[in-house]
Amino acid sequence: QKEVEQNSGPLSVPEGAIASLNCTYSDRGSQSFFWYRQYSGKSPELIMSIYSNGDKEDGRFTAQLNKASQYVSLLIRDSQPSDSATYLCAVNYLGGGNKLTFGTGTQLKVEL
Amino acid sequence: GAVVSQHPSRVICKSGTSVKIECRSLDFQATTMFWYRQFPKQSLMLMATSNEGSKATYEQGVEKDKFLINHASLTLSTLTVTSAHPEDSSFYICSAADGIGGNTIYFGEGSWLTVV
Repeated sequence: QKEVEQNSGPLSVPEGAIASLNCTYSDRGSQSFFWYRQYSGKSPELIMSIYSNGDKEDGRFTAQLNKASQYVSLLIRDSQPSDSATYLCAVNYLGGGNKLTFGTGTQLKVEL
Repeated sequence: GAVVSQHPSRVICKSGTSVKIECRSLDFQATTMFWYRQFPKQSLMLMATSNEGSKATYEQGVEKDKFLINHASLTLSTLTVTSAHPEDSSFYICSAADGIGGNTIYFGEGSWLTVV
């Protein structure tokens, strides 16, 4: 069974610090990786997508992918209280069409 | 603005009745849409894949006769929860891919269903 694993947290970081969120996946056939942010009671919002090994930066967010280690991470620089949310890692498997498998999410708390 | 719209955002129904939730793709056609369910403090669980013009594909453990899916056009999929019970109370979310440049997947705003 294809699995996506995340530490549920909560992960607490002070305002202005770097938050590091991690995700591992079980199937080496995975081809697309996504990070979604979900505020309580709301639908997930796409933060980053990454498809190849290495880093991808977008503003304060950096996604890192290591397919050999089956590991994808999200770094949030200069964390703000508004970043407090649950971050969901999602994986699209080869042959899965646009079907996503989600991790359980990591709750991030950015403290003043 | 939203590229995938869901309606209603909140609905309360009596036990034993049926409820329909709509999912529309705005500004793009979606041959495939996905329906997820999320219980409090849990992750999204895929219920079914909605295919335009054909039968939906249900995930293991999801009752197809209870959760009726219709994808009658390239921009609309509906999920009907039949004979709803309190344990069906959940957050239902749909998603669709725009098929452009790597298939960005967008989620609807979600629909809160409460069965009393």
